[in-house]
Amino acid sequence: AIQVTQSPSSLSASVGDRVTITCRASQGISSSVAWYRQKPGKVPELLIYDASALERGVPSRFSGSGSGTDFTLNISSLQPDDSATYYCQQFKTFPLTFGGGTKVEIK
Amino acid sequence: QLQLQESGPGLVKPSETLSLTCSVSSGSINITNFYWGWIRQPPGKGLEWIGSLYYGGNTFYNPSLKPRVTFSVDASKNQFSLKLTSVTAADTAVYYCARQRMAAMISTWGQGTPVTVSS
Repeated sequence: AIQVTQSPSSLSASVGDRVTITCRASQGISSSVAWYRQKPGKVPELLIYDASALERGVPSRFSGSGSGTDFTLNISSLQPDDSATYYCQQFKTFPLTFGGGTKVEIK
Repeated sequence: QLQLQESGPGLVKPSETLSLTCSVSSGSINITNFYWGWIRQPPGKGLEWIGSLYYGGNTFYNPSLKPRVTFSVDASKNQFSLKLTSVTAADTAVYYCARQRMAAMISTWGQGTPVTVSS
């Protein structure tokens, strides 16, 4: 199975800050990555797919980049609503695998 | 707007079988280019893919669970189901049903149903 490693596992940032979360795959997966946000006690929601495509309805402050083994999720200007855990997921091959998550806290 | 709703017992005894059903509304389960799946999340932990199925019959399971898991589809009821046998406390989790675009990204999630394995 392809392993997916996220970093950092947690971070604390202020409203308006730029935040970057990284995801590394154990082997090349082209652009087969999705990013999700899970607010506390809520259902995960799709933010980004195909590494950089913004899901319909997702705010433009979210962006994704990368290909091969290294990927990033950027939040250009952190908002209070972004306090959540973020997960990356590879869908290059089955079994689908998720990163361990990055918990984002607002200072 | 597509909606998914999980149903099933919230408490299962160790060694017994966990059975959950996902009801699909405002959309058909017989749709091309979409897969249907199950994901779970143990308390305080991350997401684990259980498996995915296509209404036409293709089924993919997580190898770590494959010996114990079975999916089925009832197109007449617009439902799909999960059975997980020989459960242990490690199977305690919130179970989500979901729709995936092209067996890939998970675009629609159910609300999730908590399942506890305990005697």
